[in-house]
Amino acid sequence: NAGVTQTPKFQVLKTGQSMTLQCAQDMNHEYMSWYRQDPGMGLRLIHYSVGAGITDQGEVPNGYNVSRSTTEDFPLRLLSAAPSQTSVYFCASSYRRTGSYEQYFGPGTRLTVT
Amino acid sequence: AQSVSQHNHHVILSEAASLELGCNYSYGGTVNLFWYVQYPGQHLQLLLKYFSEDPLVKGIKGFEAEFIKSKFSFNLRKPSVQWSDTAEYFCAVNAYAGNMLTFGGGTRLMVKP
Repeated sequence: NAGVTQTPKFQVLKTGQSMTLQCAQDMNHEYMSWYRQDPGMGLRLIHYSVGAGITDQGEVPNGYNVSRSTTEDFPLRLLSAAPSQTSVYFCASSYRRTGSYEQYFGPGTRLTVT
Repeated sequence: AQSVSQHNHHVILSEAASLELGCNYSYGGTVNLFWYVQYPGQHLQLLLKYFSEDPLVKGIKGFEAEFIKSKFSFNLRKPSVQWSDTAEYFCAVNAYAGNMLTFGGGTRLMVKP
């Protein structure tokens, strides 16, 4: 199993540009989510999905869109990049079963917006 | 809303010293608690988790954590740290639907050889 994979690893954008961060998992996990990591603030939930076709907002959803057309993929779209979106983005996935709440994280995408 | 506080932002220890990292959460109901570790340049890995059983939880690499419900705390401990424990440590509690997590701000641990 490759686990959770993310592309790209690094990205530099100019203010106003749009892009999509890719996330895929091969563990047949129902739950997938996106977090951003900023110094001193830990990880904050952006959007999440409890299954294909179902998404919801997390703590910091503004400026981001998601969709979940398949179980495996959960892309994160930046609509119009802003310097405040400079961060490290992590995708995570987990099973949907009681008592098994461990989330598996991808390697992250480091995004810089100039 | 749930929140998680980690009291120490930066900790510097010498090898063989004992470690205790504080974590407090705010939530009145049943909680599931986690400690994750992020080694330099790597992604988050689960150290240990608490699921309403024995309040003393043992994890990987000699780490353990104690859940004290009356204090809303879940402190991480290790009796003797090694240089390889240098990393950032995150406490988290489950929130929202679908196992999503609320994280604390993290504690950067540096262990001097």
